Amino acid sequence: DVVMTQSPLSLPVTLGQPASISCRSSQSLVHSDGNTYLNWFQQRPGQSPRRLIYKVSNRDSGVPDRFSGSGSGTDFTLKISRVEAEDVGVYYCMQGTHWPPLTFGGGTKVEIK
Amino acid sequence: EVQLVESGGDLVQPGGSLRLSCAASGFTFSTYWMSWVRQAPGKGLEWVANINQDGSAKYYVDSVKGRFTISRDNADNSLYLQMNSLRAEDSAVYYCARERAAADWGQGTLVTVSS
Repeated sequence: DVVMTQSPLSLPVTLGQPASISCRSSQSLVHSDGNTYLNWFQQRPGQSPRRLIYKVSNRDSGVPDRFSGSGSGTDFTLKISRVEAEDVGVYYCMQGTHWPPLTFGGGTKVEIK
Repeated sequence: EVQLVESGGDLVQPGGSLRLSCAASGFTFSTYWMSWVRQAPGKGLEWVANINQDGSAKYYVDSVKGRFTISRDNADNSLYLQMNSLRAEDSAVYYCARERAAADWGQGTLVTVSS
């Protein structure tokens, strides 16, 4: 199974400042079809998860452009250019290249300093 | 607007059974893979199972193989998860999600396995 490792576990951020979350996979996520199936999800307190980014860098509809995804192979990053209060929550990466099983990272908790 | 509404969660004794349902609307249900993902209290997300468009292909995480069965009714726009031989470690909020890439999620339904 592909192991997804996120860091840091907790990320205190000042409002208006940038934030960056790392996600590393135990093997390359490049699929034989040429795509890389790495997604990012946000889970606000008390809410269901919501997908933000699919295939490394594609923002879902309605996702603010302060969120961006990048990376390749085994190393991926979610960046928030300027953190807002509504961005508080837990962020998860998930790989869909080598499945089953689909696997999630352990999560990164973003909080305001 | 995509809507996914789960139901069927309950308190059940170890060894018991439960059937979860997910009512889908706002998209052409029969053209999408569907997934179940769970989240134990205070823990992260764990993929449980998914099913292809016509129900001919089903996949499960190892820990539920042989105990859980995913199914769907395209005429009724519904997804199901039959859970048998439930264990304490199956206690979680169960979410249904559209697509293998979990593009949309329901609000979840709570399953508690306890005596």
